[in-house]
Amino acid sequence: DAGVIQSPRHEVTEMGQEVTLRCKPISGHDYLFWYRQTMMRGLELLIYFNNNVPIDDSGMPEDRFSAKMPNASFSTLKIQPSEPRDSAVYFCASIPGGDLGPYNEQFFGPGTRLTVL
Amino acid sequence: DQQVKQNSPSLSVQEGRISILNCDYTNSMFDYFLWYKKYPAEGPTFLISISSIKDKNEDGRFTVFLNKSAKHLSLHIVPSQPGDSAVYFCAASGVDDKIIFGKGTRLHILP
Repeated sequence: DAGVIQSPRHEVTEMGQEVTLRCKPISGHDYLFWYRQTMMRGLELLIYFNNNVPIDDSGMPEDRFSAKMPNASFSTLKIQPSEPRDSAVYFCASIPGGDLGPYNEQFFGPGTRLTVL
Repeated sequence: DQQVKQNSPSLSVQEGRISILNCDYTNSMFDYFLWYKKYPAEGPTFLISISSIKDKNEDGRFTVFLNKSAKHLSLHIVPSQPGDSAVYFCAASGVDDKIIFGKGTRLHILP
């Protein structure tokens, strides 16, 4: 299996532009998580899905952030409009689910490094 | 309010010696704890976990200790090797499906 795939790996954009980050979870995994990593706040959970349904988006910082999972193999995280303080590394992760639920180890993608100028 | 705290941003240890990484948590409802390791330009990878019904879990050179009364866990790496140089994240999970991560500790293994 190729693991969790994220694209792009790097994104540089100007303030005010729309940014879309993409994630393909591991096939068969029921849960998908979006995280943001910054020096100040570490690794923060933004939102997670179970069977394509958003379960908890309380970590999404503002209405400028939105996430979708139209099917089991694809998710997007969109920032519109982007601001310099959104600069961070964004990770997507998936887990199999099942009886263990969240106690399964999470498989992370390589991340997208976002820079907003 | 941080529920999972790693108070040491960095740690340097001589190769061959023991590395001890610490983690404190505030939420008594957490019942499962994990450690992840992260190399630069890569996503975190799972290292070891422990359930709250245990106080120790060992996997090769890695051992995690849990002290529920103190709300404290630690990761011991012995002996430390150069490839252990990485950022280590402590994480905790409770009755909901969320996993809360600490800010991480950067471990440097010195030759």
